[in-house]
Amino acid sequence: KNQVEQSPQSLIILEGKNCTLQCNYTVSPFSNLRWYKQDTGRGPVSLTIMTFSENTKSNGRYTATLDADTKQSSLHITASQLSDSASYICVVREQTGANNLFFGTGTRLTVIP
Amino acid sequence: EAQVTQNPRYLITVTGKKLTVTCSQNMNHEYMSWYRQDPGLGLRQIYYSMNVEVTDKGDVPEGYKVSRKEKRNFPLILESPSPNQTSLYFCASSTARGAYEQYFGPGTRLTVT
Repeated sequence: KNQVEQSPQSLIILEGKNCTLQCNYTVSPFSNLRWYKQDTGRGPVSLTIMTFSENTKSNGRYTATLDADTKQSSLHITASQLSDSASYICVVREQTGANNLFFGTGTRLTVIP
Repeated sequence: EAQVTQNPRYLITVTGKKLTVTCSQNMNHEYMSWYRQDPGLGLRQIYYSMNVEVTDKGDVPEGYKVSRKEKRNFPLILESPSPNQTSLYFCASSTARGAYEQYFGPGTRLTVT
């Protein structure tokens, strides 16, 4: 069964600290993996997309990694800011004609001063 | 500005009273979809549309209808809402169904009493 699991469910960190969010998936065949940021009360916004051949991709203070062999991805946030407080959702697309998307339930990050 | 708009943003209604949530995109996207988001369950796809007059069921279509008469609009219809349809709803669009980024609307919070 195709699944996407994220950990931790929630995380509280101090402003300025780094953190890493995890995404494990069983989706196969794999097409790509996206990390979305969802601010409270708003729609998700794409941060990064990674395909099979990519190991690391950065978007400012956000760095995503992908290990397609172990089917794991991480999102590392450097020097966190209060505006990083949001839910982070991992979404995996399968490589089939249907191109189905599989959503993780997200990690709720709270950055406190 | 490229965007996906939804209306209304907030709605409280009673069981059985038909309602429509509108979704419109100005990016000339072919692919549009509706999701509901519930705590602990993440985003689940309700319906999607590959193009005008082409719609198909997602993972949780029961109790919902959609139509795609124009490329830019993709309304979600609840013929007889029930309390278990209380949720946060998102419309999304993308160039096509595939590796393309989905752009999400701001969300509609629906409460059915």
